[in-house]
Amino acid sequence: NAGVTQTPKFRILKIGQSMTLQCTQDMNHNYMYWYRQDPGMGLKLIYYSVGAGITDKGEVPNGYNVSRSTTEDFPLRLELAAPSQTSVYFCASSYDRAEFGETQYFGPGTRLLVL
Amino acid sequence: GDSVTQMEGPVTLSEEAFLTINCTYTATGYPSLFWYVQYPGEGLQLLLKATKADDKGSNKGFEATYRKETTSFHLEKGSVQVSDSAVYFCALSDGEYNQGGKLIFGQGTELSVKP
Repeated sequence: NAGVTQTPKFRILKIGQSMTLQCTQDMNHNYMYWYRQDPGMGLKLIYYSVGAGITDKGEVPNGYNVSRSTTEDFPLRLELAAPSQTSVYFCASSYDRAEFGETQYFGPGTRLLVL
Repeated sequence: GDSVTQMEGPVTLSEEAFLTINCTYTATGYPSLFWYVQYPGEGLQLLLKATKADDKGSNKGFEATYRKETTSFHLEKGSVQVSDSAVYFCALSDGEYNQGGKLIFGQGTELSVKP
């Protein structure tokens, strides 16, 4: 069971470039999330999805876009990369909502450096 | 809004020492509380959780009790091992803000255990 997988592991982007961070889960979870982790800070929610075809903004969505065409995949798109988007990005999934005590399962992360 | 505050790190302990990592929270509703652990180079994984007041979560020798009167969820372990070296995140999820069951994280506490 692979769980949550993310690619790439590490990427360097130039300012203004674009890229897509891939996320796939094989647990048939409806809920999927993208978080970013800045040094010395907790994770902050970028976007989330409650099922295929349904996405919504989190706390820090500016500069990002997402899509959810299948239950398994939840790619995160960065358009016009900026230095402020230098961070570690984590994708997570869960069977149900965390306020009911559900566990979120995290991928290994993508480290992004924008220069 | 909701928030989580945990003690500053890094924390350095000798093997077999007692561990406490303090966590307090602010929430408008009745949140579920979590401790997640991040080992070097990996994503976050659930360590333990509690969903209502006075519940005790436990796993791998770690414990935390949901204290509503003091809005706290302190993490404890009686005898730490070198393999416990990691970053520990306290988190809550509160359905009041309806963001797909997102987790709100503290800033993380780095633990280093020396032999």
